[in-house]
Amino acid sequence: QVQLVQSGAEVKKPGSSVKVSCKASGGTLSGYGVSWVRQAPGQGLEWLGGIIPMLGSSNYAQKFRARVTITADDSTSTVYMEFSSLRSEDTAVYYCARGGLDRNWFDPWGQGTLVTVSS
Amino acid sequence: QSVLTQPPSVSGAPGQRVTISCTGNFFNIGSDYDVHWYQQLPGAAPQLLLSGADNRPSGVPDRFSGSKSGSSASLAITGLQAEDEADYYCQSYDSSLSAWVFGGGTKLTVL
Repeated sequence: QVQLVQSGAEVKKPGSSVKVSCKASGGTLSGYGVSWVRQAPGQGLEWLGGIIPMLGSSNYAQKFRARVTITADDSTSTVYMEFSSLRSEDTAVYYCARGGLDRNWFDPWGQGTLVTVSS
Repeated sequence: QSVLTQPPSVSGAPGQRVTISCTGNFFNIGSDYDVHWYQQLPGAAPQLLLSGADNRPSGVPDRFSGSKSGSSASLAITGLQAEDEADYYCQSYDSSLSAWVFGGGTKLTVL
């Protein structure tokens, strides 16, 4: 069973960018969809977008299309999510998860990466 | 404001049965897109609980079951246990948004 391992917590200034990684362990992501979902403190889950690493094709929620870029390195089974022009309200735990694009559910999930945006 | 609507909280005593509703519209659940359920334990990442009508991943007990009717879906938990205390989220696909959407989450308290 593949596991998804994310990079560590980040603290960023408003207006800056952050890049979070998600690497497959014990398997490959090739041919599968990988999505990014965020959860603001005390809030629910929100889908940002996703990619199929083998194809390089990505899809984004309209709300995040201008500020989120999802890329992948199929050779290392790693997916990246870059979020630009950060605001304080982007403070959240960001999760990667297998799913979206190729199937309509998400499993497994990464452990989450806390991104704090603060001046 | 989540696209799918869930009650903020539900509670039940050990051994009881509880249900969590998830209400959508014509563009998501009402368009026959499957509804999936996730359990999020305190401080942990969400985990898939049910995919589709009633497909449980390995390790999920059959105390958890799902149903769908029209633009709504429900998660039922029977024989409630203390370890079931968690947040539960429903999820589907929305064709008007071209996006995967979630409910706002329901906190289950075991009394």
